[in-house]
Amino acid sequence: GESVGLHLPTLSVQEGDNSIINCAYSNSASDYFIWYKQESGKGPQFIIDIRSNMDKRQGQRVTVLLNKTVKHLSLQIAATQPGDSAVYFCAEAPYSGNTPLVFGKGTRLSVIA
Amino acid sequence: DTEVTQTPKHLVMGMTNKKSLKCEQHMGHRAMYWYKQKAKKPPELMFVYSYEKLSINESVPSRFSPECPNSSLLNLHLHALQPEDSALYLCASSQEGGRGVGQPQHFGDGTRLSIL
Repeated sequence: GESVGLHLPTLSVQEGDNSIINCAYSNSASDYFIWYKQESGKGPQFIIDIRSNMDKRQGQRVTVLLNKTVKHLSLQIAATQPGDSAVYFCAEAPYSGNTPLVFGKGTRLSVIA
Repeated sequence: DTEVTQTPKHLVMGMTNKKSLKCEQHMGHRAMYWYKQKAKKPPELMFVYSYEKLSINESVPSRFSPECPNSSLLNLHLHALQPEDSALYLCASSQEGGRGVGQPQHFGDGTRLSIL
């Protein structure tokens, strides 16, 4: 399940299940979005990005969905593996190539073997 | 393995010391960044360099002094830091865009800094 509180939101999933990590953004002018994965002791690793002229983009085992109407972004991971355990950050850029990324708070994904 | 290399991986220093963090990339990127990340928090932007020139300074205290000697290297000079400056310092690079900000940004694994 998912819990939100004083600590980092955590999503626990069974190995082999699909994971969905959600992100809400507030700036309707944002037109570029990225998902990063950060494992313990490492820097953020680029997973997938999407521009506002698209509503879906697929990579290897990952899919990003963008709903501009409700300002919502999600990352779907298929057949979640123990190696997917990490903190996932969404980030947005309000203007293409012109303004630094704004990072979301992050979600910790824990995969139960 | 990350294509952005940061050294050292760990650094412990006193409040009166002077030290430097180093970052190197060989992807031909012309925009480079310094971020600060506290535990369980997202990265916070500190500086952006575009074509070796400082383009963005997010009101960072002067005890942090960035330097970009060439297109592949980025340094962060530290002097008279405070205990609250203890954090993970991340370097990133990207293709250059407007104001020197490009996407996507590729991160190094950071320097874990502890101020005694």
